[in-house]
Amino acid sequence: GNSVTQMEGPVTLSEEAFLTINCTYTATGYPSLFWYVQYPGEGLQLLLKATKADDKGSNKGFEATYRKETTSFHLEKGSVQVSDSAVYFCALFALRGDTGRRALTFGSGTRLQVQP
Amino acid sequence: DTGVSQNPRHKITKRGQNVTFRCDPISEHNRLYWYRQTLGQGPEFLTYFQNEAQLEKSRLLSDRFSAERPKGSFSTLEIQRTEQGDSAMYLCASSPTRGAGELFFGEGSRLTVL
Repeated sequence: GNSVTQMEGPVTLSEEAFLTINCTYTATGYPSLFWYVQYPGEGLQLLLKATKADDKGSNKGFEATYRKETTSFHLEKGSVQVSDSAVYFCALFALRGDTGRRALTFGSGTRLQVQP
Repeated sequence: DTGVSQNPRHKITKRGQNVTFRCDPISEHNRLYWYRQTLGQGPEFLTYFQNEAQLEKSRLLSDRFSAERPKGSFSTLEIQRTEQGDSAMYLCASSPTRGAGELFFGEGSRLTVL
């Protein structure tokens, strides 16, 4: 079945540090890949996406590259800010088993804490 | 800007009681999803609708759970005879038909079963 594995948190960084959150996946067919973010007290929101191999998704200074050969979609940011403190979820959109339908499958989330 | 709205935001109930959650999606979105999230875990897919048709249900959705979207607009998720293991955050999301994984989530309805 489809699955997403993320590095466990929390990840604690100082402001302006470099961020990497690892994400690997297992999927049927050719999934689209996503990073969603959940800020404290808010709902999940889409951060960035990539729909095919070698695509790079980017938004708000975050980037992730769809690596088919390593089945990975690691999230990176060159200089984090306190306002980036949140929980980050890697997700894939792919066929679910033999249903012939697609759905979003999430990883367990990685909490990022950025200290001033 | 009207996003996805969920009510109630928090429900505390005793084991064995029935509860119902409501979701109002973004008006032009045809697809509506329900997910469940427990502490420290990512959201787990429960079911989804294309307009009023319920197209898929996860095996996580036991017979005590039922979801409806009668007119293709708002949706309800009912849990009958609640159990302590049902305690979780229930998330609703919507997307346009060609959204391909780009879901817009509500803030969730937290259920606590005592």
